[in-house]
Amino acid sequence: EIVMTQSPLSLPVTPGEPASISCRSSQSLLHSNGNNYVYWYLQKPGQPPQLLIYLGSNRASGVPDRFSGSGSGTDFTLKISRVEAEDVGVYYCMQPLQTPPYTFGQGTKLEIK
Amino acid sequence: EVQLVESGGGLVQPGGSLRLSCAASGLTFSSYSMNWVRQAPGKGLEWVSYISRSSSTIYYADSVKGRFTISRDNAKNSLFLQMNSLRAEDTAVYYCAELDYGDGYWGQGTPVTVSS
Repeated sequence: EIVMTQSPLSLPVTPGEPASISCRSSQSLLHSNGNNYVYWYLQKPGQPPQLLIYLGSNRASGVPDRFSGSGSGTDFTLKISRVEAEDVGVYYCMQPLQTPPYTFGQGTKLEIK
Repeated sequence: EVQLVESGGGLVQPGGSLRLSCAASGLTFSSYSMNWVRQAPGKGLEWVSYISRSSSTIYYADSVKGRFTISRDNAKNSLFLQMNSLRAEDTAVYYCAELDYGDGYWGQGTPVTVSS
């Protein structure tokens, strides 16, 4: 089973400032097709998760360009260039490469200072 | 607009059963493999079960294997989860979700509480 480890688990950020979340996998998520199979989700309070980034660096439909994903192999990063109040919630990374099981990170709670 | 609408959750005693449903609309349901994901109160996301487009491949988390059964009816654009021998630790919000294609379709979830 691939273990996904996120850091930090809590992230207080001032509006307008950048933010970064790390996700490390216990095995490589780089497929032979060149894609990194890591997804990023944001779960806002009281809502289901919403997809932000798929295949490591592709923004999902409707996601603002202040969100970006990067990394390869076992180390991945989600960056928010300028945090806005609506970005509050819990961020999860997830791997759909070696299944079952699909595995999620523990979650990173972003809050506004 | 794509919609996934779960139903069937509720309060059940330990050892009891529930059948969850997920009604899909606005997408070609038969083109997507589907999953159930759950979230216990105040906890993170836990994958529960997967079913392929044609139902030929099915997976379960070890925590539910032998107790839960996933199925789908492509003609009715529906996904199901039969949950038997329920335990207190199965208490969670259950989501149907697409996890493989980058479309990111999730339902709003249906709550399941297992308690006497």
